[in-house]
Amino acid sequence: GAVVSQHPSRVICKSGTSVKIECRSLDFQATTMFWYRQFPKQSLMLMATSNEGSKATYEQGVEKDKFLINHASLTLSTLTVTSAHPEDSSFYICSAQITGTRGSSGTQYFGPGTRLTVL
Amino acid sequence: TQLLEQSPQFLSIQEGENLTVYCNSSSVFSSLQWYRQEPGEGPVLLVTVVTGGEVKKLKRLTFQFGDARKDSSLHITAAQPGDTGLYLCAGPQTDSWGKLQFGAGTQVVVTP
Repeated sequence: GAVVSQHPSRVICKSGTSVKIECRSLDFQATTMFWYRQFPKQSLMLMATSNEGSKATYEQGVEKDKFLINHASLTLSTLTVTSAHPEDSSFYICSAQITGTRGSSGTQYFGPGTRLTVL
Repeated sequence: TQLLEQSPQFLSIQEGENLTVYCNSSSVFSSLQWYRQEPGEGPVLLVTVVTGGEVKKLKRLTFQFGDARKDSSLHITAAQPGDTGLYLCAGPQTDSWGKLQFGAGTQVVVTP
């Protein structure tokens, strides 16, 4: 149980275009989802917290107009990288927290990640 | 922000050897989680430790949570090539419902 999927797994785009990444909880509902970015051989860096039906909360230094997050249902959150540039190339990972579990008991289940390459 | 320090950053051992990874903080955590991540994939949860002094075993992996809930360790006995990966510890941030603070990670390489 507690499976999270991401689509696409890999995407290559041209500089200046926008890319949408989907994160789905397959067998549970997730009021809260998280988006992370990971550079090679480094740990995960939290970008934003996505809450179903409300605006996302962004971490300091993350541009909300560049990384648009939409959490329209209890099983789907999307991250859109707008006007992508080569420096946005990275591994993007989402995680989902089972609805009804929060705080210290809210285990996060991670998706398999999306490799974005901007040419 | 409650910081988590992992050590060592990198471990390269031969198959059959034992290894220990440490996760330390000056702050108290209500729980700590350990993940393993393989290249090009998302982290996979190995265990959550909740009680100070708790020891959990998962086959050849032994996880310990410090009595004061400020530190944790992961010990692998008789490591195998399949244990190769990035090991991450993480703990929930205080007053930030659901947010996790991650350690920098320990890259473990087990060679046959």
